[in-house]
Amino acid sequence: EDKVVQSPLSLVVHEGDTVTLNCSYEVTNFRSLLWYKQEKKAPTFLFMLTSSGIEKKSGRLSSILDKKELFSILNITATQTGDSAVYLCAVDGHTGNQFYFGTGTSLTVIP
Amino acid sequence: ETGVTQTPRHLVMGMTNKKSLKCEQHLGHNAMYWYKQSAKKPLELMFVYSLEERVENNSVPSRFSPECPNSSHLFLHLHTLQPEDSALYLCASSQDWVGGLAGFTREQYFGPGTRLTVT
Repeated sequence: EDKVVQSPLSLVVHEGDTVTLNCSYEVTNFRSLLWYKQEKKAPTFLFMLTSSGIEKKSGRLSSILDKKELFSILNITATQTGDSAVYLCAVDGHTGNQFYFGTGTSLTVIP
Repeated sequence: ETGVTQTPRHLVMGMTNKKSLKCEQHLGHNAMYWYKQSAKKPLELMFVYSLEERVENNSVPSRFSPECPNSSHLFLHLHTLQPEDSALYLCASSQDWVGGLAGFTREQYFGPGTRLTVT
């Protein structure tokens, strides 16, 4: 059964800390992995990763994919309170269906 | 301001009521989706519409009935729901259907969701 597992489930850090969020997957016909940030309600798109070893970067956020070990990490450096959110990982399985979502990592950044 | 809007934002309904959720996308996308998000569970895909045709229905109970009158609007009609149907219902759109044969992924843009409580 295809699945996406995120860890940790929740994380509390202080402003300025660096965090690493993990996403592992077992999905047939993998096509891409996506990260979303969900604050309050609507998930917003962060990154799409399709190739191993190529880092995607946006400001203090970066992400990389390892297709051999079947995982991705999302790094956030110099965290700010505005980074507090649930971070969702989703995998496109290209089986005529869908994204497989993980349960998310809830990040809380304390001032 | 999100390109995908949903109404209502909150809904409380009894098990015998009939109500509808509305989603509208202003992005010129061709695919629209309904997701259910329950506490501590991954987002569950319910329905996919591509060019106004339903292309996926993930074994969703018949008490949920989608409608896509055009590529910009998507409805979810609800009737005789159960308390376990209480959840956040998210609508999303993408340029093309992610399950299509285009050979590449299209990121989805989500609406703010409708928080549904069934009493």
